[in-house]
Amino acid sequence: EAGVAQSPRYKIIEKRQSVAFWCNPISGHATLYWYQQILGQGPKLLIQFQNNGVVDDSQLPKDRFSAERLKGVDSTLKIQPAKLEDSAVYLCASSLGQAGPGVGQPQHFGDGTRLSIL
Amino acid sequence: AQKVTQAQTEISVVEKEDVTLDCVYETRDTTYYLFWYKQPPSGELVFLIRRNSFDEQNEISGRYSWNFQKSTSSFNFTITASQVVDSAVYFCALSEETSGSRLTFGEGTQLTVNP
Repeated sequence: EAGVAQSPRYKIIEKRQSVAFWCNPISGHATLYWYQQILGQGPKLLIQFQNNGVVDDSQLPKDRFSAERLKGVDSTLKIQPAKLEDSAVYLCASSLGQAGPGVGQPQHFGDGTRLSIL
Repeated sequence: AQKVTQAQTEISVVEKEDVTLDCVYETRDTTYYLFWYKQPPSGELVFLIRRNSFDEQNEISGRYSWNFQKSTSSFNFTITASQVVDSAVYFCALSEETSGSRLTFGEGTQLTVNP
């Protein structure tokens, strides 16, 4: 079974520029998550999709971050404009479901995109 | 609000020693799930184990064992006879039924196993 695919692996941009990350979840996984992991900290959820709908975006800085999952499969996360504090690893994860039996399903993570802001 | 505390920031041991990583959690839900993930230097988070709040049985998988105690809100992880390949950052995480499947992670424990 193929794992969660993310690209690019690394990205370096200057502050105020825009950047986009791509994620393809494990086949058949309805739920997709984007996490931000700042160096030395645990991952923090940015947004959660169930199929192509947003379930939780309460911690997404909506003035500069946006995400979509138009066909309920792959997803993109965008930052526009980037700030220095956005330097982090952006992790995508997927799981089988969300509600009912889906709660508590293990999340499977991609390798992440390491973003450096100059 | 849910919270996970991993008080040990860094642990260093010599190969073949046993090591225990501590995890303390806070939740108001009666139904919740606890997880451990491993993050090696390559960066990917690897799922190790999941426990639900109604199952307090300890679990052993090879050199790994987990001790879940609701009375102390702890879910500790022990590696027996540690190996250099166990060197990684280990994260404990919590998911509450009322919060959907969102994971709240602790800050992680950096484990270094020296030869």
